Amino acid sequence: SQQGEEDPQALSIQEGENATMNCSYKTSINNLQWYRQNSGRGLVHLILIRSNEREKHSGRLRVTLDTSKKSSSLLITASRAADTASYFCATVVYGNKLVFGAGTILRVKS
Amino acid sequence: SAVISQKPSRDICQRGTSLTIQCQVDSQVTMMFWYRQQPGQSLTLIATANQGSEATYESGFVIDKFPISRPNLTFSTLTVSNMSPEDSSIYLCSAQRALTSYNEQFFGPGTRLTVL
Repeated sequence: SQQGEEDPQALSIQEGENATMNCSYKTSINNLQWYRQNSGRGLVHLILIRSNEREKHSGRLRVTLDTSKKSSSLLITASRAADTASYFCATVVYGNKLVFGAGTILRVKS
Repeated sequence: SAVISQKPSRDICQRGTSLTIQCQVDSQVTMMFWYRQQPGQSLTLIATANQGSEATYESGFVIDKFPISRPNLTFSTLTVSNMSPEDSSIYLCSAQRALTSYNEQFFGPGTRLTVL
């Protein structure tokens, strides 16, 4: 079953704007990961944040994690048309199994 | 990272038939997984493919419907058996190098299956 809930379900912005996606989960986690999927194809790993970390950056990506609220956010700054994709958060609950959220569809208009 | 390929990339099948999907990793990995992504939905883990032993299935998935093989550390197959239109989905395999849960998973491009 899916653990994560993401909002918004869909987001449409202009190129150059920032995009923020949120993810909530239900149980304790080892780490939380964000993935991107273009047009129903394979997933690309974006960033991993451990349960003892609060913020992490990678290029134009910024991820925060609040374990007390069981939530995470992904910020994409200065968005580009190529950022148009579906974004999923995934939690490692136990073992090495990923539990995926429902995803956010991002559309960046040029 | 690991480069993962899947065959076929897509297929259209008749109900009642079976399809075997192949997943090849370019280097040895510890863990391999199979996921299903139904239309417009997120990914759901089907099973963990164990090298040299039976796969470990998640709740709602059974070996008779989704038999899995993993003969070595770079290759796995998933068979979708006795297909029905409800099996129309994207099937993705993934791999993880080490047993530590901090390692990310690398995904194949997916196999888009349509059952008529």
